[in-house]
Amino acid sequence: QTVVTQEPSFSVSPGGTVTLTCGLTSGSVSASYYPSWYQQTPGQAPRTLIYSTNTRSSGVPDRFSGSILGNKAALTITGAQADDESDYYCVLYMGSGMVFGGGTKLTVL
Amino acid sequence: QVQLVQSGSDLKKPGASVKVSCKASGYTFTNYAMHWVRQAPGQGLEWMGWINTNTGNPTYAQGFTGRFVFSLDTSVSTAYLQISSLKAEDTAVYYCARESVWYFDFWGRGTLVTVSS
Repeated sequence: QTVVTQEPSFSVSPGGTVTLTCGLTSGSVSASYYPSWYQQTPGQAPRTLIYSTNTRSSGVPDRFSGSILGNKAALTITGAQADDESDYYCVLYMGSGMVFGGGTKLTVL
Repeated sequence: QVQLVQSGSDLKKPGASVKVSCKASGYTFTNYAMHWVRQAPGQGLEWMGWINTNTGNPTYAQGFTGRFVFSLDTSVSTAYLQISSLKAEDTAVYYCARESVWYFDFWGRGTLVTVSS
């Protein structure tokens, strides 16, 4: 069974740039997987950031961007802020349904 | 504006059943599929499946067949998740999420189901 992979944790300095990735244990992620990204802070529902690889959801600042980098989907945060400290999840459409990655815990320090 | 309002937290004993509701407003309910997502304590998000709000046809992810049932009442724009024969490991927050072409565009706030004797 193919698993969606994400870095378990990442840290970034305030004002810095970080790229989180979303891959597959077997194969490459492409736009046909319609990768989407969600931000979740403790005790809150997920917030939609990016869909269809690189389209920002309404109200999402442009310092969040999505792309395909090599064989993975990527979420880049440019100019990280303290309130970007959250868990980030990618979701891929796998034909038979949606699959979440395990999530990345981003620390801003 | 689009809203998904979920039912409140619930405490159940092992072996009991629970029904979580997700009431939609601000859009035509039958125009968008509804998905269910589970988050166990301290764990990540897990896709449970979805229901076609036009036909009522449910699709369950692996691991969510048998005890889990998705249903609708389109007259009140509400989706339901019923879990039977509850186990301690069903303790989790359950989210409904509206799908807009292969992604989730709106989320409910989640319903905490606690299974404990």
